[in-house]
This record gives sequence, C-alpha cells and structure tokens, in this order.
Amino acid sequence: AQSVTQLGSHVSVSEGALVLLRCNYSSSVPPYLFWYVQYPNQGLQLLLKYTSAATLVKGINGFEAEFKKSETSFHLTKPSAHMSDAAEYFCAVSDSQAGTALIFGKGTTLSVSS
Amino acid sequence: GAVVSQHPSWVICKSGTSVKIECRSLDFQATTMFWYRQFPKQSLMLMATSNEGSKATYEQGVEKDKFLINHASLTLSTLTVTSAHPEDSSFYICSARIISSYNEQFFGPGTRLTVL
Repeated sequence: AQSVTQLGSHVSVSEGALVLLRCNYSSSVPPYLFWYVQYPNQGLQLLLKYTSAATLVKGINGFEAEFKKSETSFHLTKPSAHMSDAAEYFCAVSDSQAGTALIFGKGTTLSVSS
Repeated sequence: GAVVSQHPSWVICKSGTSVKIECRSLDFQATTMFWYRQFPKQSLMLMATSNEGSKATYEQGVEKDKFLINHASLTLSTLTVTSAHPEDSSFYICSARIISSYNEQFFGPGTRLTVL
C-alpha cells in the first residue's frame, strides 16, 4: 500500500524567504510523485511531477522538488516566497501502473507574510 | 493543457433530494475519471474510480447506492448524491486521467454541495 506523509500542517514564511514543504512517501513499487496547489474554493493545479526521469524536478511558479529514494522524500522548495504563494499544498503518490488513483497527503497550508 | 470542467460549481439543496454533478474533460478523452471528496481544511479522499463503459470501483466505506457514478462516454462522468443529508455537504472534486500519461490527472474546479 502507498501512503504520503506531509510534515507540518502549517508553514509560515516571510516574503522573500525560502519555502520548504516536506513530503515523505511509502511505496512498495517505484512511485510517481506529484505536488499540487489549491487556492480557496478551487480545484487542484499541478505544480510538478516525478516520473522516474531526473530526480530534481522543476515546476511552475519557481517551485522545484528533489526525489531522494534513500530518504523516501520528495520535498518541495522555492528560493524566494511571494505573497501569491499562500495556498494549500498537497503531495500525492501513485504507483507506476496505469490507471491507479492518487493518494494524497493531508496537505500543508503555506502562509506568507510581508 | 488539459481542461476538466465541473457543473454546477455550487449547489444548495434540501435534505432528501438528489443532486447530480457533472465532470467533463473538454479537450481530451479520459478512460478513467476519479471522484474525490474534501472536507474543510482536510485532504482529498478518493471516493471512487470511474472507467468508461463499466461500473465504478468504490473505496471502502463509500456507499455505492448513495453515490451513483456513471461514466457513459470518454468525456463525461456524473456523480449523483441520492437522498442527500447535511452530512453529505462537502467539496466534491473530479479528475480525469489522460491516456498515455504518467498517471497524470487533471482536476476539475470542484463542486461545493450544501445540504440544508
């Protein structure tokens, strides 16, 4: 069975500061990993995905994540936070088989202060 | 990018009535669609996996007679909440899996259901 753990339900940073959102996964097969962002009352938007190619994945809005198999982690980072980054962030995992659903972490709320 | 729409975006209904939510893939064909439920300040919980032309597969604890799912075409799946009660009030989100992708799913904007 697969699972995702997001450490820290709420992260607060100052504008311009480094953003680090943590995600650890558990999977018995090679995983596909995703980060999604959700703004209030909206659906999910894909930030980036890992699909067994490069371990450092660059996404939209300046975000990137690094797949570390030895640590079973896929942490999301951004060098400099912007006010518009304030949102809910979800890490998700699926296995490498076609048609399987995504398993989501509980989410991390990112707050950005000026 | 691939676009998924949901209709309605917000619905309020009386207890005991049924509500149908549509999920459409607008510019691609989706053999598989997923329905999720999200309570306030919580994560998405998978309710069911819907495959075109076959019966949906429901997750444990989800009543299939309560949440009727139909996936009649490659671009449309519907979720009907039957005999809705206040505890069914939630944010329902669908996603569509694009064919020949790395399990990438595209999410609809969600439907907020409020049952009075």
